[in-house]
Amino acid sequence: DGGITQSPKYLFRKEGQNVTLSCEQNLNHDAMYWYRQDPGQGLRLIYYSQIVNDFQKGDIAEGYSVSREKKESFPLTVTSAQKNPTAFYLCASRPLGGSSYEQYFGPGTRLTVT
Amino acid sequence: RKEVEQDPGPFNVPEGATVAFNCTYSNSASQSFFWYRQDCRKEPKLLMSVYSSGNEDGRFTAQLNRASQYISLLIRDSKLSDSATYLCVVNLRAGTASKLTFGTGTRLQVTL
Repeated sequence: DGGITQSPKYLFRKEGQNVTLSCEQNLNHDAMYWYRQDPGQGLRLIYYSQIVNDFQKGDIAEGYSVSREKKESFPLTVTSAQKNPTAFYLCASRPLGGSSYEQYFGPGTRLTVT
Repeated sequence: RKEVEQDPGPFNVPEGATVAFNCTYSNSASQSFFWYRQDCRKEPKLLMSVYSSGNEDGRFTAQLNRASQYISLLIRDSKLSDSATYLCVVNLRAGTASKLTFGTGTRLQVTL
């Protein structure tokens, strides 16, 4: 089955700890994205990557870091510098080229930091 | 002003009703438009793209008005399973990148 997987589904951490969220896709998509969603707010872009070994900051990159060592994988690290890390984190991907810009989402990871 | 604005609802409608959602966007350079559906505590899923000529997919009809910068979604013959949050999404292409901007969503509750 082709798709995007995120793990784990729920994650609990203590304040001050870094945590890495996994995102893997087997759709052969070039571009991958990380968003966070908070209650009553739209999805906000954290980081995105269009090719391996390259990535760009989104609108709310502070306190986060990413890597793109493989086309299939785009892990997100939530560092202790992120002031409000508790949120629903969504990974998305899309193919480049063509006229289609829609993105496809993984099931998300709910991170709770106490 | 928000880049993409939607009425958060909730819209409570009986089964079989017709319901319409509107969405406005602020950037006139926006190039493509989508409606996504998001169930409670799940990921957004693409419902349909929105084209200038309007498009229909079964009970769902989407319209785009570029002059007024708004997008609409019409759902006919509502089903219980249509209960969800509907996200209006706008794409602003910048160079080779594209950036999706999401509205906060309109919540629909279809009741018996």
